[in-house]
Amino acid sequence: DAGVIQSPRHEVTEMGQEVTLRCKPISGHNSLFWYRQTMMRGLELLIYFNNNVPIDDSGMPEDRFSAKMPNASFSTLKIQPSEPRDSAVYFCASSPPIWGGTEAFFGQGTRLTVV
Amino acid sequence: KNEVEQSPQNLTAQEGEFITINCSYSVGISALHWLQQHPGGGIVSLFMLSSGKKKHGRLIATINIQEKHSSLHITASHPRDSAVYICAVRGGDDKIIFGKGTRLHILP
Repeated sequence: DAGVIQSPRHEVTEMGQEVTLRCKPISGHNSLFWYRQTMMRGLELLIYFNNNVPIDDSGMPEDRFSAKMPNASFSTLKIQPSEPRDSAVYFCASSPPIWGGTEAFFGQGTRLTVV
Repeated sequence: KNEVEQSPQNLTAQEGEFITINCSYSVGISALHWLQQHPGGGIVSLFMLSSGKKKHGRLIATINIQEKHSSLHITASHPRDSAVYICAVRGGDDKIIFGKGTRLHILP
């Protein structure tokens, strides 16, 4: 298995533009997590899905952020409109049962820069 | 005060030394997770614990639920162990809370 695949690896965009980050979890994993990492705030959980259903989105910073999981093999995190403070590395992770049952597997991350 | 505190924040040691990284938390938890973030940024899951002790190669993780404390140990440390080690807990309300990480640097 290729592991959790995120795309793009790097994204530079102008303030106000829409940004879409993509994640393909490991096949058979039914939990998927989106994290954001910044120097100031460290690693933060934004949202997680179990069986394609959002379970906890309390970490989503504001309405400009939205996440979807239309099927078991794909998820998106969208920021519209983007702002410079959204610049961060965004990680996606997946795990077999819901987090807490086993180790999670992380993607390589998407480094987002909003100018 | 953070709900998850790691110590030390930074640690430099010589190759071969026994390393201990600590994680204390103030909330009730259902699980604790140790993560390793490489200098290149990639994150690897090391251990998930809800009780006792786990060992994988030179890495050992322990948790004491009563004392709300976990330790990550590295035996015979090596420069390739240089990374940031992050402790995360899943609280009783299902929230996941991260520590700020311990930056480990092993000198050859």
